[in-house]
Amino acid sequence: GAGVSQSPSNKVTEKGKDVELRCDPISGHTALYWYRQSLGQGLEFLIYFQGNSAPDKSGLPSDRFSAERTGGSVSTLTIQRTQQEDSAVYLCASSQPTRGTDTQYFGPGTRLTVL
Amino acid sequence: DQQVKQNSPSLSVQEGRISILNCDYTNSMFDYFLWYKKYPAEGPTFLISISSIKDKNEDGRFTVFLNKSAKHLSLHIVPSQPGDSAVYFCAARGWTSGSRLTFGEGTQLTVNP
Repeated sequence: GAGVSQSPSNKVTEKGKDVELRCDPISGHTALYWYRQSLGQGLEFLIYFQGNSAPDKSGLPSDRFSAERTGGSVSTLTIQRTQQEDSAVYLCASSQPTRGTDTQYFGPGTRLTVL
Repeated sequence: DQQVKQNSPSLSVQEGRISILNCDYTNSMFDYFLWYKKYPAEGPTFLISISSIKDKNEDGRFTVFLNKSAKHLSLHIVPSQPGDSAVYFCAARGWTSGSRLTFGEGTQLTVNP
């Protein structure tokens, strides 16, 4: 597709369940990022992929959070044993880094609600 | 530690007038700055960016100004249109922080007809 796509658009789950969020980046973009936005807050960085490797995963808030990327394309963010504080909009972005500039293009997000 | 701050949560202007959105940062290692616009239930949309080697970048109705000594940047929208009503996020990237963007909290702009 022309832009970054994410699925599902909305996810409601019960506390303690695992969830998987998917991101399809713009075709050809080698860099992929996950952010989340909690209510009334700015975007918070979670993890960055270059190709299939994650050189920066320092934003993951706990070991319940993990992400992988396969084939240099699709990425999955997994949250295990979800907690209510995990409720947020999870945003994926992709970019094609060039010298001096690196504009990230965002998907529409997945709104996660943990009951 | 909020390294990028947008101190005004909201701004209201009349159609046709100038909108000025402000952003302050604390990390002197930031070297690239971006503005994003976000409508409800959509992801942020890239608007305009500026490198730290410049102090101004213009794209149509949008101009970003960077004052490195004050660690301050601003986005000017002239003339403002009702369709510009959205949340505007300032973001920064530094060569020591890799490719991650650090975002401000956002400013809700409302342009009244």
